[in-house]
Amino acid sequence: EPEVTQTPSHQVTQMGQEVILRCVPISNHLYFYWYRQILGQKVEFLVSFYNNEISEKSEIFDDQFSVERPDGSNFTLKIRSTKLEDSAMYFCASSVSSPKSASSYEQYFGPGTRLTVT
Amino acid sequence: GEDVEQSLFLSVREGDSSVINCTYTDSSSTYLYWYKQEPGAGLQLLTYIFSNMDMKQDQRLTVLLNKKDKHLSLRIADTQTGDSAIYFCARPRVGADGLTFGKGTHLIIQP
Repeated sequence: EPEVTQTPSHQVTQMGQEVILRCVPISNHLYFYWYRQILGQKVEFLVSFYNNEISEKSEIFDDQFSVERPDGSNFTLKIRSTKLEDSAMYFCASSVSSPKSASSYEQYFGPGTRLTVT
Repeated sequence: GEDVEQSLFLSVREGDSSVINCTYTDSSSTYLYWYKQEPGAGLQLLTYIFSNMDMKQDQRLTVLLNKKDKHLSLRIADTQTGDSAIYFCARPRVGADGLTFGKGTHLIIQP
């Protein structure tokens, strides 16, 4: 069964360093997402990506964050200068359609990357 | 608002039924979802229900939707130790991409 994959599973970095989190969405999916889950808190939407550009971003997704689809399979989240409060589990997700459509909408998540900023 | 609320813990005996509840504030959702997160793992889409349905059954899982009360529940029949996980209720963000999640309910199975 196709699945979303993410690497690495755990990333430890020092404050101020840049990190890139990688995701391979399901191959026939067109919409891609990043979420984060700070320990003990809700899973929060960060950004959606469609047709090689950001579709929407939340208030969390500030100038320190960027996303890219560098080739036909990978989808990356870059944090330019990490802060302690960026420590969280980051989930990538993908879907065939948009949640704004009335058709069946299923969003599949990867296993997550645990980012620890020290 | 887009709040999705769940109780944090539910403890049941193995073999009993588990009922995990969720309430939401916005009534415009087309779909409502249940995700399962096992320790150290990602979010697994368990099931979902379209807003024009009241009930959906899938093997041991039954989803009930009360649109009037904005209440969603997930019933797991014959709960097993493998059902031990965090269960998240989720709905599409209002007029936007992505999903809004509840805080998750920790399902604890007693032998």
